[in-house]
Amino acid sequence: NAGVMQNPRHLVRRRGQEARLRCSPMKGHSHVYWYRQLPEEGLKFMVYLQKENIIDESGMPKERFSAEFPKEGPSILRIQQVVRGDSAAYFCASSPFPGHENTEAFFGQGTRLTVV
Amino acid sequence: KQEVTQIPAALSVPEGENLVLNCSFTDSAIYNLQWFRQDPGKGLTSLLLIQSSQREQTSGRLNASLDKSSGRSTLYIAASQPGDSATYLCAVKGGSYIPTFGRGTSLIVHP
Repeated sequence: NAGVMQNPRHLVRRRGQEARLRCSPMKGHSHVYWYRQLPEEGLKFMVYLQKENIIDESGMPKERFSAEFPKEGPSILRIQQVVRGDSAAYFCASSPFPGHENTEAFFGQGTRLTVV
Repeated sequence: KQEVTQIPAALSVPEGENLVLNCSFTDSAIYNLQWFRQDPGKGLTSLLLIQSSQREQTSGRLNASLDKSSGRSTLYIAASQPGDSATYLCAVKGGSYIPTFGRGTSLIVHP
């Protein structure tokens, strides 16, 4: 059972371009979380998705950012018209139904976005 | 809104010391708490998961305790080694089902 797979691992975009970050959850996991990490800071929650549904997007900027988790395929975090301030590491985590106390979240290796 | 605080923010110790890292949270209505390790430029590795109904969990030289009523968890590292150098993060999952992270403790163990 492969772990949470994120790609690309590193992404360089020029200001104004679009960035697409992909996350394939662990097999059998239908819940996905996206986090952003700035240097020397902890992980900030962005969005929580279940298959075909956005459950909570309270941490995601209202403009330029969107996320989806289709019935088939990976979850996608899309950043349109990137700016320098979007440069960060973006992490994805997956879990089975999280409403049990023994449910663990598993994290991918992250995508490091650099905007030049 | 859940808030998670980790103390100290940074720690530098000689090899062999026993260490205690602290994590506190404001809302005690949690499902579980996870401790993670993050190496520079890398992803998160799960170290220990403590369920809401548990008081502690152990894995090798690591022991994590949970006092839900006071909103505290500690990660105890016995006989620290240079390979333990990393950032340690705690994450609390409550009724929103969303793990909330502290800012981490950056640990350096020097030979």
